[in-house]
Amino acid sequence: NAGVTQTPKFQVLKTGQSMTLQCAQDMNHEYMSWYRQDPGMGLRLIHYSVGAGITDQGEVPNGYNVSRSTTEDFPLRLLSAAPSQTSVYFCASSTAGSGGVGGYTFGSGTRLTVV
Amino acid sequence: ILNVEQSPQSLHVQEGDSTNFTCSFPSSNFYALHWYRWETAKSPEALFVMTLNGDEKKKGRISATLNTKEGYSYLYIKGSQPEDSATYLCAFCEGYQKVTFGTGTKLQVIP
Repeated sequence: NAGVTQTPKFQVLKTGQSMTLQCAQDMNHEYMSWYRQDPGMGLRLIHYSVGAGITDQGEVPNGYNVSRSTTEDFPLRLLSAAPSQTSVYFCASSTAGSGGVGGYTFGSGTRLTVV
Repeated sequence: ILNVEQSPQSLHVQEGDSTNFTCSFPSSNFYALHWYRWETAKSPEALFVMTLNGDEKKKGRISATLNTKEGYSYLYIKGSQPEDSATYLCAFCEGYQKVTFGTGTKLQVIP
């Protein structure tokens, strides 16, 4: 059981470049979400999805795009990378938006640096 | 933006000591409170999901209590071991899809 798989683990981008962070889960979770982790701050929600075809914005959505065409996959797109998007990104999934009975299952993270 | 505070920010304890930390959250619109353990270079792992006032959960040497009326949860570690060294995160769920994470308590257990 792979859980939540994120790729890549590390990425360096130049300002203005675009890229997609991949997230896939094999637990048949309806709820998936993307967070960013910055020093001194809690995990901040970027976008989330409550099921295939349904997405919504979180606390810090600007500069990011998401789609959910299948239950398993929830890619995060950076449209035009900026240094402020340098961060560690986590994908998480759950049976429910509130975390269900088991809480969120997190991927291993993507460390992104924008130069 | 909801105010979810964790204290202390960090602490060092000797192996064998028991310790506890606090997560404070708004006392209104409570839906659930999560605790996660986050080891360095890994991803957060769920410890507990608590939903009822007065809830007490236990997993091995780690336990947690919940007071939704006053807006706090305690995490206890009995007889700390070096492998308990990690950052412990709480997450407050206000409603079905609105969750706010605290900044965590970083625990270091000294052998």
